[in-house]
Amino acid sequence: DAGVIQSPRHEVTEMGQEVTLRCKPISGHNSLFWYRQTMMRGLELLIYFNNNVPIDDSGMPEDRFSAKMPNASFSTLKIQPSEPRDSAVYFCASSLERPLHFGNGTRLTVT
Amino acid sequence: GDSVTQMEGPVTLSEEAFLTINCTYTATGYPSLFWYVQYPGEGLQLLLKATKADDKGSNKGFEATYRKETTSFHLEKGSVQVSDSAVYFCALAGNQFYFGTGTSLTVIP
Repeated sequence: DAGVIQSPRHEVTEMGQEVTLRCKPISGHNSLFWYRQTMMRGLELLIYFNNNVPIDDSGMPEDRFSAKMPNASFSTLKIQPSEPRDSAVYFCASSLERPLHFGNGTRLTVT
Repeated sequence: GDSVTQMEGPVTLSEEAFLTINCTYTATGYPSLFWYVQYPGEGLQLLLKATKADDKGSNKGFEATYRKETTSFHLEKGSVQVSDSAVYFCALAGNQFYFGTGTSLTVIP
C-alpha cells in the first residue's frame, strides 16, 4: 500500500503566482479531503469529495482557491493568485468509510 | 454541532513518565473516536480508534477508552519514550470528521 501521495513536498513561490498541489489517494478509497495546517489556526478542512464529487467546500477561504477531482486517483488544489498568508502545510487525506489516511503534506511558502 | 476539545499543550515529560492527554467530545448520535499522531515533517498517522462505547483502542503502548457517560476519550501511556515526542490529535467521525487542536508532547531523556 503506497499510501496517499502528495506532490510537491515543498513549494516556494512569489506572491501573485499560481500554485497547484497534487494528490493521489489510496486506491479504492472513495472520499478525499484537503486540509490546511498552520500554527495559528491548526488543522482546517478546506474541501472534501465523495466519489469524485465535491460535497462540502465551505472551508475554502476564498475564490482564489479551487479544487478538482477529475477521476478517482487524482485531485488538485489550486491557488491563483497566491498570497503570503496562504503559506501553510496542505494535507490531502483519503478514506473508505473511516478512518482518514493522510499524505505527508505540501509545505507552501509564498514570499 | 459535533466537536472535539483536547487538552492544551505543550506537555513536557521525562522518559518513563506516565502520560495522559485529555479529550472530550460533543456529538449527536454515536460517533467513532480516534487518536492521530503527527511526527515532525510528516502527515497525521492513525494511532488508535474506538467505534462504540466502552471500546478500548490500543497501539504502541498507548490506550484510550470510549466513555459515553463522560463523553471522553483520554489518551494514556504508562511509560513514555523520547521517540513518542510528537503532536497528538483527538478526532471524531460523525457525519464529518472533527479534529482537536492538537497537543504537543516532548519527552526528555
